[in-house]
Amino acid sequence: SQQGEEDPQALSIQEGENATMNCSYKTSINNLQWYRQNSGRGLVHLILIRSNEREKHSGRLRVTLDTSKKSSSLLITASRAADTASYFCATFTGNQFYFGTGTSLTVIP
Amino acid sequence: DAGITQSPRHKVTETGTPVTLRCHQTENHRYMYWYRQDPGHGLRLIHYSYGVKDTDKGEVSDGYSVSRSKTEDFLLTLESATSSQTSVYFCAISEGLRGYTFGSGTRLTVV
Repeated sequence: SQQGEEDPQALSIQEGENATMNCSYKTSINNLQWYRQNSGRGLVHLILIRSNEREKHSGRLRVTLDTSKKSSSLLITASRAADTASYFCATFTGNQFYFGTGTSLTVIP
Repeated sequence: DAGITQSPRHKVTETGTPVTLRCHQTENHRYMYWYRQDPGHGLRLIHYSYGVKDTDKGEVSDGYSVSRSKTEDFLLTLESATSSQTSVYFCAISEGLRGYTFGSGTRLTVV
């Protein structure tokens, strides 16, 4: 499978702490994206990082990409209860995206 | 979700019956996708379309067919529903390499 693999599968933190989740993938990519899914809803696009970029920021999100290790990380700083959701990485290879199985993040108020 | 709607939102059907799910977009995007989401498997691509009447299979296409007669509509048909097709189905649209926009999903139960 070309899908990414997120790690950890589940993460529970206190509000205000930082949350870090990782994604590893198997093949060369054009870009990598992170999505959030709230319970019972569709996925929402968070951030895209291209294969020639190493780091990208968007608000409280910071994404890194290491193509030599075929891995990416998503850091959410100063987490809030509203950040409770599942987070997925998606790699674009060929002409489609491949999704991992996700990290379930719980932020405790 | 803005620009993309799925119908129905929920459906219960009997084994062996045909079922059609609809995805409608107002964004005029070229690409449309059908995924299914199951615990432990993440999202898996069923079929996708890159234009009117242009479709291709994804990794879990067996038992499914699609049609796209208009840019805005992408239909997913389960020809003869089985219990293994109980899942949440998501439609997504995209333009080029930019990210997907997902619909809210259809929860299908096959009894």
